[in-house]
Amino acid sequence: GDSVTQMEGPVTLSEEAFLTINCTYTATGYPSLFWYVQYPGEGLQLLLKATKADDKGSNKGFEATYHKETTSFHLEKGSVQVSDSAVYFCALSTGAGSYQLTFGKGTKLSVIP
Amino acid sequence: EAGVVQSPRYKIIEKKQPVAFWCNPISGHNTLYWYLQNLGQGPELLIRYENEEAVDDSQLPKDRFSAERLKGVDSTLKIQPAELGDSAVYLCASSHTFHNEQFFGPGTRLTVL
Repeated sequence: GDSVTQMEGPVTLSEEAFLTINCTYTATGYPSLFWYVQYPGEGLQLLLKATKADDKGSNKGFEATYHKETTSFHLEKGSVQVSDSAVYFCALSTGAGSYQLTFGKGTKLSVIP
Repeated sequence: EAGVVQSPRYKIIEKKQPVAFWCNPISGHNTLYWYLQNLGQGPELLIRYENEEAVDDSQLPKDRFSAERLKGVDSTLKIQPAELGDSAVYLCASSHTFHNEQFFGPGTRLTVL
């Protein structure tokens, strides 16, 4: 079945550091890929997405590129802020136009001043 | 526009007691999802509704869990009786249709003692 593997957390970075959170997937067909963010006490929010190979999703300074050859969708940000502290979930969906989501376990990011 | 509303936000019960969670989706959203999120894990789908019809309940433990979405708007998820292993966060999400982005509520954190 479909699955998503994320790097283990927690990740602690100083403000303005570079962020990478690794995500790889296993899926049949051609999945769409997503990154969700969950701030403390809030629901999950869609951060960015990519629907086909080589697509780059971006939002709020975060980027991720859909690499079909390596089945990866790593999240990056050039300079993190304290307000980026949250749990980040990589997810995929399969089936044309489907939003039936399979999530990774999440990676907790803490950014310290 | 109001987001997905869930209540209660927190619930503590003794094992073998019943418990119910309520979800009010975003107005006009036809698709409603209930997810289970165990500590340190990503959300896992329990059930999906299209209007008032449960179209995917394959992951719902039907011996103790039940759900309903009367009139295709609000939804209730019930557990009877609760077990220690049910301690988790129960998330509700909604989308305009199955082919659109899901919006998540803040969740209900259940603790079974």
